[in-house]
Amino acid sequence: DAMVIQNPRYQVTQFGKPVTLSCSQTLNHNVMYWYQQKSSQAPKLLFHYYDKDFNNEADTPDNFQSRRPNTSFCFLDIRSPGLGDAAMYLCATSRGGGMTYEQYFGPGTRLTVT
Amino acid sequence: TQLLEQSPQFLSIQEGENLTVYCNSSSVFSSLQWYRQEPGEGPVLLVTVVTGGEVKKLKRLTFQFGDARKDSSLHITAAQPGDTGLYLCAGVPRRTGNQFYFGTGTSLTVIP
Repeated sequence: DAMVIQNPRYQVTQFGKPVTLSCSQTLNHNVMYWYQQKSSQAPKLLFHYYDKDFNNEADTPDNFQSRRPNTSFCFLDIRSPGLGDAAMYLCATSRGGGMTYEQYFGPGTRLTVT
Repeated sequence: TQLLEQSPQFLSIQEGENLTVYCNSSSVFSSLQWYRQEPGEGPVLLVTVVTGGEVKKLKRLTFQFGDARKDSSLHITAAQPGDTGLYLCAGVPRRTGNQFYFGTGTSLTVIP
């Protein structure tokens, strides 16, 4: 089945220790997104790639960066995690363009910062 | 201010009851999607509504898109514990063209 895969599902890191979360997709979608979600809140968009074009949200902290080496993979790098960065991180994809903009989500990575 | 406001924010009901969740905006949307997110999982797409006035049914769930394409509703008939989760509406406003927005979310708990 075509899907969005996130690894790991749970990640524990120490305060200030860099961490990388990964996402892969078999949907061959043009657009990949990274969201941060805190308890019972709506996901907050951090950035997205349309093919190789990177789009950063204005309020995304500099501490967060992303890489998309190819169509299938996208990485979220947190350079110096703080306690406030503990959250669920969601990767999503969409075909891009057109009217519907339906997004397909991975299961998420729960990040804990100690 | 949020572009898509959902109400209620929290809802706790008994199994078998009916409920409606609202998603409202002052902007016109090309389409709206509804997602359900279970605890510890990613959101799962339930439906996309595209045409003003459109009604779509998914088993016990009925989705409606407002005539002016500024609002949508989700009605659940005879709620079951498996319906528990965070319900999110989302879409792209026509004026922005490509910026995807989520609603504020409705957390539903169905008590057996």
